[in-house]
Amino acid sequence: DTGVSQDPRHKITKRGQNVTFRCDPISEHNRLYWYRQTLGQGPEFLTYFQNEAQLEKSRLLSDRFSAERPKGSFSTLEIQRTEQGDSAMYLCASSLGLTTTRKYFGPGTRLTVT
Amino acid sequence: GQNIDQPTEMTATEGAIVQINCTYQTSGFNGLFWYQQHAGEAPTFLSYNVLDGLEEKGRFSSFLSRSKGYSYLLLKELQMKDSASYLCAVRDNAGNMLTFGGGTRLMVKP
Repeated sequence: DTGVSQDPRHKITKRGQNVTFRCDPISEHNRLYWYRQTLGQGPEFLTYFQNEAQLEKSRLLSDRFSAERPKGSFSTLEIQRTEQGDSAMYLCASSLGLTTTRKYFGPGTRLTVT
Repeated sequence: GQNIDQPTEMTATEGAIVQINCTYQTSGFNGLFWYQQHAGEAPTFLSYNVLDGLEEKGRFSSFLSRSKGYSYLLLKELQMKDSASYLCAVRDNAGNMLTFGGGTRLMVKP
């Protein structure tokens, strides 16, 4: 399978715990994006990387959120001290080039904070 | 600011044609995308418009009017498997970020 993959697909955690999600983009794609989607809403942009550099972060990305892409390939998104409001689907997408017309989305990680 | 509006829900009959509208008011514009998303799955790309006019791709067509801040997705010969959410998204000037509407949940009935 050469698509975008995400792990885990589902995560249930208790409030206050830390969680980390992983995204593996399509191998030749240099751009990687994180979005968050709550039920019945469209995805909301969180952050994106070009290679290993994190170039833009949304105001939605509070201090409890951190994302890395250390070698310009896979990326991790960590949420510290989770809150119930963090419950959502976390989508990763990747694309190639500066003016690409299309982002390829992964299947998402569904986070439930109890 | 960014504002993208689309109807929350629509219902149509198998075999019919349905048009899903999207209006946008964004600080920048570098293309409009339509994605399909089945429940619990990732959004999948349907179409892309950057110039005014109609883009046709099989049973799906998408139209853009930049002066009116308006787009629509036209689905012909509806099939039950077309029941899904349809997301309208605008790309910013730098080409980095997509801003999505809330999605239109389409239900196709026999």
